[in-house]
Amino acid sequence: NAGVTQTPKFQVLKTGQSMTLQCAQDMNHNSMYWYRQDPGMGLRLIYYSASEGTTDKGEVPNGYNVSRLNKREFSLRLESAAPSQTSVYFCASSELGQGAGDYGYTFGSGTRLTVV
Amino acid sequence: DAKTTQPPSMDCAEGRAANLPCNHSTISGNEYVYWYRQIHSQGPQYIIHGLKNNETNEMASLIITEDRKSSTLILPHATLRDTAVYYCITTGNTGKLIFGQGTTLQVKP
Repeated sequence: NAGVTQTPKFQVLKTGQSMTLQCAQDMNHNSMYWYRQDPGMGLRLIYYSASEGTTDKGEVPNGYNVSRLNKREFSLRLESAAPSQTSVYFCASSELGQGAGDYGYTFGSGTRLTVV
Repeated sequence: DAKTTQPPSMDCAEGRAANLPCNHSTISGNEYVYWYRQIHSQGPQYIIHGLKNNETNEMASLIITEDRKSSTLILPHATLRDTAVYYCITTGNTGKLIFGQGTTLQVKP
């Protein structure tokens, strides 16, 4: 099925460890996004990529880096994980890069990260 | 970017229409209004969006006031599976979806 695939689905890290969250979409969308969602809160934008080869900071970029590997893939890296980064991470993609279009953003099912 | 204001929670009887309000009084002329929902911490699901005119699709209807300062999402016949957090979002000049707290809709039997 077409959509956004995130891996892994669950991860536990120790403070100071690093890891990369993977995201891939097969809808040929230009734009991709990383959000985090803390318990009881709405989603907050971490980084986004309007098109292949470009990345920009969102609302809460500190402690993260991203790579737009190609049109399909957009990864999120935690270089030195902290307990404050315990969250659910969602990747999304969209067609036009402006949030407009027939179906807006398509979201993945999320990565549940715990930092101890 | 325009901010949105939604009630934190609402209840609706199964089979009845659910009307979810949203205020976006600072919306600018080229900003869209999007509605998404999130069920059980799954990824948010697109419902509907609009600019000026009322919109309807297989899931819901979106009513936007003439001054565009508020809108209402209507689920015509709510079911238990519609229990979710509903987000009203304006895209702003950047076109990015900036989420607020949303409205938790509880559909009751």
